[in-house]
Amino acid sequence: GQQVMQIPQYQHVQEGEDFTTYCNSSTTLSNIQWYKQRPGGHPVFLIQLVKSGEVKKQKRLTFQFGEAKKNSSLHITATQTTDVGTYFCAGLNYGQNFVFGPGTRLSVLP
Amino acid sequence: EAGVTQSPTHLIKTRGQQATLRCSPISGHTSVYWYQQALGLGLQFLLWYDEGEERNRGNFPPRFSGRQFPNYSSELNVNALELEDSALYLCASSFWGSGRETQYFGPGTRLLVL
Repeated sequence: GQQVMQIPQYQHVQEGEDFTTYCNSSTTLSNIQWYKQRPGGHPVFLIQLVKSGEVKKQKRLTFQFGEAKKNSSLHITATQTTDVGTYFCAGLNYGQNFVFGPGTRLSVLP
Repeated sequence: EAGVTQSPTHLIKTRGQQATLRCSPISGHTSVYWYQQALGLGLQFLLWYDEGEERNRGNFPPRFSGRQFPNYSSELNVNALELEDSALYLCASSFWGSGRETQYFGPGTRLLVL
């Protein structure tokens, strides 16, 4: 079955540093979504990417979808303590269900 | 607009008992997904219901089952509870078929099996 991997598993950064998490699927995806889960909370939808090579920005967050629609990345510029949490990617198979990656847990040291 | 709601928020059971968890999707959403999230771990896909039918299930034993009602709310049943079933159970809803499916998660039910 489809597998979605994320690296790194954990990332500790100093406030102000940049952060990137990578998501890789074993199969081609129809779209990919990113979610953030704060400690003790539930996943919250961040963004959806649909087109090959698509790049979207949300303030300090930049999301990319690979040309082959099998990988994606989330980059945060100048992290803040409010960025703390676990970032999940979720790949949607054509006609199938979402498959979530294991997540990257980000901690930001003030 | 009300978000996804789940009940109960917390549930304590003993081994061998049965647990029933409930989820109400966002109005207009026809799909409901169930996930298990053990402490500090990722989301493990359990079940997906759409328009009252089970569309897919994850790699979980048959004692995990559920259903979706005509009003699109859903129930997750876990029979013969085991200690390792202790986890946060998340429900999410979406409108399937739009090509822009986004999952909206509820706050979850924390199940503790003693």
